[in-house]
Amino acid sequence: DTEVTQTPKHLVMGMTNKKSLKCEQHMGHRAMYWYKQKAKKPPELMFVYSYEKLSINESVPSRFSPECPNSSLLNLHLHALQPEDSALYLCASSQLRDSNQPQHFGDGTRLSIL
Amino acid sequence: GESVGLHLPTLSVQEGDNSIINCAYSNSASDYFIWYKQESGKGPQFIIDIRSNMDKRQGQRVTVLLNKTVKHLSLQIAATQPGDSAVYFCADGRYNFNKFYFGSGTKLNVKP
Repeated sequence: DTEVTQTPKHLVMGMTNKKSLKCEQHMGHRAMYWYKQKAKKPPELMFVYSYEKLSINESVPSRFSPECPNSSLLNLHLHALQPEDSALYLCASSQLRDSNQPQHFGDGTRLSIL
Repeated sequence: GESVGLHLPTLSVQEGDNSIINCAYSNSASDYFIWYKQESGKGPQFIIDIRSNMDKRQGQRVTVLLNKTVKHLSLQIAATQPGDSAVYFCADGRYNFNKFYFGSGTKLNVKP
């Protein structure tokens, strides 16, 4: 079992819907990440939060809105998505200082846009 | 949209043989490198990492080699087992910068 928990595991939504993806970790990690992964492709970085503040946004469209309510939780709010946004969305966390530990990934939310 | 007909590079090995998976990176500023294993339906799982002040690091049944001159990374798996079947990704970035770029991935098939 992964130490990073993502919910839901699967999500189907229409282009006009609003939904949220959730991620939780209790390892005391102060960096959290969202990645998007298309089939047979590597994960692509979307957002990085450091100490609950957004530190990196990889030019992600505004229909994806991240939120970090506290050091254990990371959300990704979705609105007006397009069919090409269908993908596996992965959350990860890591230590920030003296980072000998790399990122720990959840098993993702598989998102389908109708 | 999705790329039609895109296939991951695939390495097929016999159970018990050694496997070597290669990766090239492009950013000369990268000083931290990680190998991940991703099984079907799961997120990437950390295997081993190496910093740029080293050229070799060994773990349990795995060894990572780093050649900074040609920006090349390899993962060696000793006595490959069926449970090693997965997609393997390398990732590079700046140590303590928390931003990593993944390579395209290699699918490892282990034949019993």
